Parts: sequence; structure tokens; C-alpha cells
Amino acid sequence: GAGVSQSPSNKVTEKGKDVELRCDPISGHTALYWYRQSLGQGLEFLIYFQGNSAPDKSGLPSDRFSAERTGGSVSTLTIQRTQQEDSAVYLCASSPGRGAFTDTQYFGPGTRLTVL
Amino acid sequence: GQSLEQPSEVTAVEGAIVQINCTYQTSGFYGLSWYQQHDGGAPTFLSYNALDGLEETGRFSSFLSRSDSYGYLLLQELQMKDSASYFCAVGGGTDKLIFGTGTRLQVFP
Repeated sequence: GAGVSQSPSNKVTEKGKDVELRCDPISGHTALYWYRQSLGQGLEFLIYFQGNSAPDKSGLPSDRFSAERTGGSVSTLTIQRTQQEDSAVYLCASSPGRGAFTDTQYFGPGTRLTVL
Repeated sequence: GQSLEQPSEVTAVEGAIVQINCTYQTSGFYGLSWYQQHDGGAPTFLSYNALDGLEETGRFSSFLSRSDSYGYLLLQELQMKDSASYFCAVGGGTDKLIFGTGTRLQVFP
């Protein structure tokens, strides 16, 4: 596809379960970002991948959160032992990778996570 | 640290002009971006300012003053479809963007 895709679009889980969220960036984009957006709030940066460099994990809220990017393309965000406060929309974005401050970021439609 | 401030909500009527301000504090600065997000949708890029001054793109313009750590988004000839949240974002010395909390614009007929 032409844009960033994310799956699933909606995920309902029980507290304590693990979840995996997937992001397929735009082909050729070397930079990939994960954000979290709670209802009516701004975008909270979680993690950033750029090419083969070590990811910037400075935004991950706890060690229950982790992310991988395989082959420089698809990324998976994993949340272990989910808590109710993890409920939010998780957005993925990709950019060509010339540098975040000059790159336009293209966002996916997001995954709405609800933890019961 | 890095922080951005923008008003939480702005209202206007169709055809009017509205300005959404953004002030920022960053350890470094590499540009101010604006994104639009409709309810239930994904953020989409609107504009980017690296240098002082006004950038115009159709009905939307964006302004930056680096000496004042301040910028704004100007929306002219407002239309109902402009009702959305608008986020300013800065790149500040690291390869990621820091987003503001967003301004919700409501356009009334």
C-alpha cells in the first residue's frame, strides 16, 4: 500500500495480558516512530528507529514496553502485563529518514487499545 | 528539557481567520512543524518552518520567530472541514519530534 498501515485497528484485552501491535511503514522510509495518544491528549513519543542505528527508547514509559524493527521495515510494539492505564491509541509514523526535524512524518491510522 | 505550549481550544465561524499560537522551550532547535488531526483520524503534516518568517500554503500559513521561541499557524477563510486538532511539534537536537498537547479548533456555521 501507499501509506503506513497498522494492525489490529482495535484491540481489547484483559489486564495482565501481553499485546503486540504491528506497523508497516511506507516502503523506503528508514525512520519509524511509535507514539501513544490518550483520549483528547497530545502525542506522547515512545520510541524511534532510524536505519540500522540503535533505537531511541527514551520515551518508553516502563520496562513492560518494548519494540522491534525487523529488516529495517516492519515494527512490532509489545506491551507486557497490560494495565488499564495503557489504554490509548498507539500511532506509528514513518519518514524518509533525512532527520526528524526536517522530515514529514506520515502517520498510520493507529491501534486503539482497551485494557479491561 | 523540552516543552511546548499551545491553547487547548479555539472557536471561530466559517469564513473567519484564526491564529493558533505555540511557544516552545528546547535544548536545541531545528524547526517547528504543524500537524492536523481530525477526530478519529491520524495526524497529517501541514507545514514546517526552519527559518524566521511566514510560510504560506494555500489557506494555511505558518510563522516562526526563533528569537522569541514562538510560532503560529494561521488559518484563513475557515471552512467546517477545518474543525480538527492542531499540533505544533519541534525537533530539538535529537532525531525525534516533540509534540504539543494540541489545540482543538471548532468552526461554527
